[in-house]
Amino acid sequence: DAKTTQPNSMESNEEEPVHLPCNHSTISGTDYIHWYRQLPSQGPEYVIHGLTSNVNNRMASLAIAEDRKSSTLILHRATLRDAAVYYCILSGNQGGKLIFGQGTELSVKP
Amino acid sequence: NAGVTQTPKFQVLKTGQSMTLQCAQDMNHEYMSWYRQDPGMGLRLIHYSVGAGITDQGEVPNGYNVSRSTTEDFPLRLLSAAPSQTSVYFCASRYRVNTEKLFFGSGTQLSVL
Repeated sequence: DAKTTQPNSMESNEEEPVHLPCNHSTISGTDYIHWYRQLPSQGPEYVIHGLTSNVNNRMASLAIAEDRKSSTLILHRATLRDAAVYYCILSGNQGGKLIFGQGTELSVKP
Repeated sequence: NAGVTQTPKFQVLKTGQSMTLQCAQDMNHEYMSWYRQDPGMGLRLIHYSVGAGITDQGEVPNGYNVSRSTTEDFPLRLLSAAPSQTSVYFCASRYRVNTEKLFFGSGTQLSVL
């Protein structure tokens, strides 16, 4: 299974943009890049996903490197409610399973 | 839609006891899965299913059994609980294709004494 590598923790100031990196150097051509986040004491929730092109939705943007070996989740204006653990996950021809790594714990300072 | 419903929310067991964690979804999702999350850790996949009658092992399947007799339900059975199984358990489901997002339940906090 292809693996992802993320920093253990990051800090941001409120109302500033946040760029959360993810490395996935062994990604295969059919792997989608998914991002989930987990707020304290809650189950994970979907944020965004993509294959090759950059993606935008109401929560965030996903920037995917041209060689697909890395990606960046962008929160355009961090709020205190964005403090969570963010997981970068690959899903491809693995029977559909999603394997979570350790994620990046994002703290947001007022 | 209720989404993904897990019961119970909390459970305390003694070592050696057995129990079943229930998971039900009303979204007609073919794919269902169970994860466990130990304190301060990420989620680890226990078992998953891509449809009724089909199950497969994840990263940490030992000590757990699953079955999928209907599309809606995916129970997780602990045959003989051990303290090492103290964890928060999450059930998740989605449509079959891997481009679809996972919907998670609210979790079951299990303590084994």
